[in-house]
Amino acid sequence: EAQVTQNPRYLITVTGKKLTVTCSQNMNHEYMSWYRQDPGLGLRQIYYSMNVEVTDKGDVPEGYKVSRKEKRNFPLILESPSPNQTSLYFCASSLSPTSRAYNEQFFGPGTRLTVL
Amino acid sequence: AQSVTQLDSHVSVSEGTPVLLRCNYSSSYSPSLFWYVQHPNKGLQLLLKYTSAATLVKGINGFEAEFKKSETSFHLTKPSAHMSDAAEYFCVVSANAGNNRKLIWGLGTSLGVNP
Repeated sequence: EAQVTQNPRYLITVTGKKLTVTCSQNMNHEYMSWYRQDPGLGLRQIYYSMNVEVTDKGDVPEGYKVSRKEKRNFPLILESPSPNQTSLYFCASSLSPTSRAYNEQFFGPGTRLTVL
Repeated sequence: AQSVTQLDSHVSVSEGTPVLLRCNYSSSYSPSLFWYVQHPNKGLQLLLKYTSAATLVKGINGFEAEFKKSETSFHLTKPSAHMSDAAEYFCVVSANAGNNRKLIWGLGTSLGVNP
């Protein structure tokens, strides 16, 4: 089954304790992206990756890191989490946006993060 | 610059009556437009998409939307609401930003369905 998976689905942590949220897709997509969803603000893009070893900042990258060492994986790293990073996080993947075959982004199930 | 405005933050209908969720967009280019649904404590599910083909787009669960360029609108409709349609609905425009294909999200419309 074609899908985007995220782990963990739920996480409660404390300020300053480094954490990683994993994202994996099995559709051989070049493009991957992280979003956060906050009430009243909709979904905002954190980072995106056009392909392996190519990443760039989205609209709200502060406090986050990403890496893209393999095509299928795109982990989101919070080196020193703070309470304002409490949010619902979504990973997404798609064909290359510059491809004629580009159609839509596929979303993971979400990770609900609480930073105390 | 691209933007999306969902005109109602909350819509309430009775079961069996029509649903109309309104969305206006702004785009410098021919846009791709999407509607996503999010049920409570669930992920995002694509309802339908417009990608410059037919202007009337049919999606899952009986939903459809019509792309009207002259009105810059992409309203979501369903002839008869079901209790299971109660959820948050997002209108999204896909915008090119260099090599990035950004999704510009509306703030969502919460649909309530009364028995």
